[in-house]
Amino acid sequence: NAGVTQTPKFQVLKTGQSMTLQCAQDMNHEYMSWYRQDPGMGLRLIHYSVGAGITDQGEVPNGYNVSRSTTEDFPLRLLSAAPSQTSVYFCASTPDRGHRNTEAFFGQGTRLTVV
Amino acid sequence: AQSVTQLGSHVSVSEGALVLLRCNYSSSVPPYLFWYVQYPNQGLQLLLKYTSAATLVKGINGFEAEFKKSETSFHLTKPSAHMSDAAEYFCAVSDQDYKLSFGAGTTVTVRA
Repeated sequence: NAGVTQTPKFQVLKTGQSMTLQCAQDMNHEYMSWYRQDPGMGLRLIHYSVGAGITDQGEVPNGYNVSRSTTEDFPLRLLSAAPSQTSVYFCASTPDRGHRNTEAFFGQGTRLTVV
Repeated sequence: AQSVTQLGSHVSVSEGALVLLRCNYSSSVPPYLFWYVQYPNQGLQLLLKYTSAATLVKGINGFEAEFKKSETSFHLTKPSAHMSDAAEYFCAVSDQDYKLSFGAGTTVTVRA
């Protein structure tokens, strides 16, 4: 019963490098999201998807790209890493049960440091 | 637009004492509110959620929250703190696309 799986768990990048954070869920959930967590700021939404082939921007999308070619996978791409992108990144998935009080399921997070 | 505000970034309680974490929301539509908990180096897990069926909501590990529309609040309480309650707690509100807006979080420390 894997749930939401994120890889890698830790990553160090140099400024200007690019990379992809992987997120996969095995619960057939329609909705998937990426958040970043910074001290004193809670979690902020980067990008989200309401289904395969459909993505949209969240609160802090600059410097990140996403795609959703399958229901299961929702990778987050950093195009040119900057120190300001040092953060902990969480992927979440939510089933579409027709009402907004449906809970989100979170991965374990990816701790990214940009030097 | 919907948002939540958590009062107090850090709460320290003695083991066995009451835990009270405050959350106020702002929403133009009926709010769908959640409390999530994050243990060290882990992801977030649901503690409880408001469903509109009852204003007092019971969650896991002895936590409960009361929805007060007149005060736009959804405060989280636990009558007796345990060492295992040491974690960070987040209040969140959901919109129509299941996007969550989180508060800044409150870190709970439990003293022996």
